[in-house]
Amino acid sequence: QKEVEQDPGPLSVPEGAIVSLNCTYSNSAFQYFMWYRQYSRKGPELLMYTYSSGNKEDGRFTAQVDKSSKYISLFIRDSQPSDSATYLCAVNTGGFKTIFGAGTRLFVKA
Amino acid sequence: DADVTQTPRNRITKTGKRIMLECSQTKGHDRMYWYRQDPGLGLQLIYYSFDVKDINKGEISDGYSVSRQAQAKFSLSLESAIPNQTALYFCATSDPWGDNEQFFGPGTRLTVL
Repeated sequence: QKEVEQDPGPLSVPEGAIVSLNCTYSNSAFQYFMWYRQYSRKGPELLMYTYSSGNKEDGRFTAQVDKSSKYISLFIRDSQPSDSATYLCAVNTGGFKTIFGAGTRLFVKA
Repeated sequence: DADVTQTPRNRITKTGKRIMLECSQTKGHDRMYWYRQDPGLGLQLIYYSFDVKDINKGEISDGYSVSRQAQAKFSLSLESAIPNQTALYFCATSDPWGDNEQFFGPGTRLTVL
């Protein structure tokens, strides 16, 4: 079993839709939860970062962590074509090693 | 200028050839990483380095070697390339006092025929 599971998609939505991206993880020791965004032919860039459980909001993006069910989510409101990218969830126990999900490809149609 | 650069960006080679991928960074970070990315598998850690004298194997180091020439430079070598090493390769850096964020280069697309 992979330590982090993520549906690869692709997920296609119309502009303005609310997008929900999700991951599950297996190790309860993970304390840090991240979402990276990767545009085509680019390296991943950190989008959101959350410590422990709860929600974190940044503009149109909300990251949510439910440690009881080992479930992490990223919500994108009012999605734009510029949001089209691959979104990777990532987890970390607090050390140097980060475990990445396989990534979900998102297409937002104008 | 980009903080983390990788050369070459694309490379096509033949089975059995020796290949070197190079990474340079201007972020001043001590920690550097090499990952490969395959569809459906995510980023897999090949090697990581905490400083010039501290190099460690990651989860998929077989068939690869690395060299940390300076704080800013970290090279990945494939001594004898094979087709299943065809992948996207990313170099990354991080600050041990930061929030676990890793900064990635633009990647090298390697094809082994």
